[in-house]
Amino acid sequence: DTGVSQDPRHKITKRGQNVTFRCDPISEHNRLYWYRQTLGQGPEFLTYFQNEAQLEKSRLLSDRFSAERPKGSFSTLEIQRTEQGDSAMYLCASSLQGYTEAFFGQGTRLTVV
Amino acid sequence: DAKTTQPNSMESNEEEPVHLPCNHSTISGTDYIHWYRQLPSQGPEYVIHGLTSNVNNRMASLAIAEDRKSSTLILHRATLRDAAVYYCILRANSGYALNFGKGTSLLVTP
Repeated sequence: DTGVSQDPRHKITKRGQNVTFRCDPISEHNRLYWYRQTLGQGPEFLTYFQNEAQLEKSRLLSDRFSAERPKGSFSTLEIQRTEQGDSAMYLCASSLQGYTEAFFGQGTRLTVV
Repeated sequence: DAKTTQPNSMESNEEEPVHLPCNHSTISGTDYIHWYRQLPSQGPEYVIHGLTSNVNNRMASLAIAEDRKSSTLILHRATLRDAAVYYCILRANSGYALNFGKGTSLLVTP
């Protein structure tokens, strides 16, 4: 296992289109997180899964955003009707319950034109 | 959430020690102090964390003030690969989300 994997690494989409990102966490990690990072800012928490249950969603996660983690393995983050303000780096992280360290993927950079 | 304050940027010479400060005057008794760093075009990377006592690992040392209102991340010998944004984050033991802030951008010059 080489770490947290995210796909795609880059996505350019037209405003109004839907996009979906995938995150594959480290295999034994039961906790999974999504963050968003805009230029010059630190990552902002979006949502958190423990196994397949989505236990927390940030106020940043509008109705156009939905995340899933079927079977507690990989996760997807979908953005519907994208807006230019959605342009950002979307980061996924995973951790093992009871351990502090979170491992981050390299992110998916979304550009909405 | 308790807030942290860090300098926007710092500069260091290669092979010299670097002391990255963080103020967290509103820290609560259950908050752990975490440090992550983010290299250019990479996701954040865990560096170290602590509660009350100073901590050492292969990457860095964490010095925590006795009143816990401030801490310092110490890189013992900076290398060019240590150039990154360093984030000081408070998180309760029962917490899961990391609130990153803007961090300190460390420039290392040869």
